[in-house]
Amino acid sequence: QAGLTQPPSVSKGLRQTATLTCTGNSNNVGNQGAAWLQQHQGHPPKLLSYRNNDRPSGISERFSASRSGNTASLTITGLQPEDEADYYCSAWDSSLSVYVFGTGTKVSVL
Amino acid sequence: QVQLVQSGSELKKPGASVKVSCKASGYTFTRYGMNWVRQAPGQGLEWLGWINTKTGNPTYAQGFTGRFVFSLDTSVSTAYLQISSLKAEDTAVYYCARDKIGLDYWGQGTLVTVSS
Repeated sequence: QAGLTQPPSVSKGLRQTATLTCTGNSNNVGNQGAAWLQQHQGHPPKLLSYRNNDRPSGISERFSASRSGNTASLTITGLQPEDEADYYCSAWDSSLSVYVFGTGTKVSVL
Repeated sequence: QVQLVQSGSELKKPGASVKVSCKASGYTFTRYGMNWVRQAPGQGLEWLGWINTKTGNPTYAQGFTGRFVFSLDTSVSTAYLQISSLKAEDTAVYYCARDKIGLDYWGQGTLVTVSS
């Protein structure tokens, strides 16, 4: 199934702000919204946000999500060393009735 | 608390079969669908499909029909993924993930290695 497009990597300094993007189409991101997942090396993914900007209990307010048209964004403010991870977006595609994932963005904190 | 606990790593030869289990606890198993996702070494996430835990009806993503089978044992709140006729390219970590508000809880992953 066609995936969602994410930049391969983003590098920012400690305590800076990183913005990650995720581009889909009107059947997935533009329709159902996107969720964001964080994955540290050797660990399973962890849900950071869903329905564009709802955060599960326990997720830091430093992570905020938004959507404009077919593009979703995740903003990480006050970057910390523990934010170094791979970030994936995901969305339900209502046309194909499948979950689609983004290609993933590796965040490095300098 | 919600937990999804998967079975341990498997080393299989090409052509063999494997069955991965995912035991849920901390919630009513039949209230939310269970998804299966795999991640090949160094690669991204790939959705295999999901199973309706209330009806047992599975839905497979394109490319995962035939050799991949989802099943349940609701008496022990466990979902299963069986893969037959294993190929080297099936080598990956396989995850189960609950679907409530998106994929909100994930198992720890099961590494399946296919090698002769």
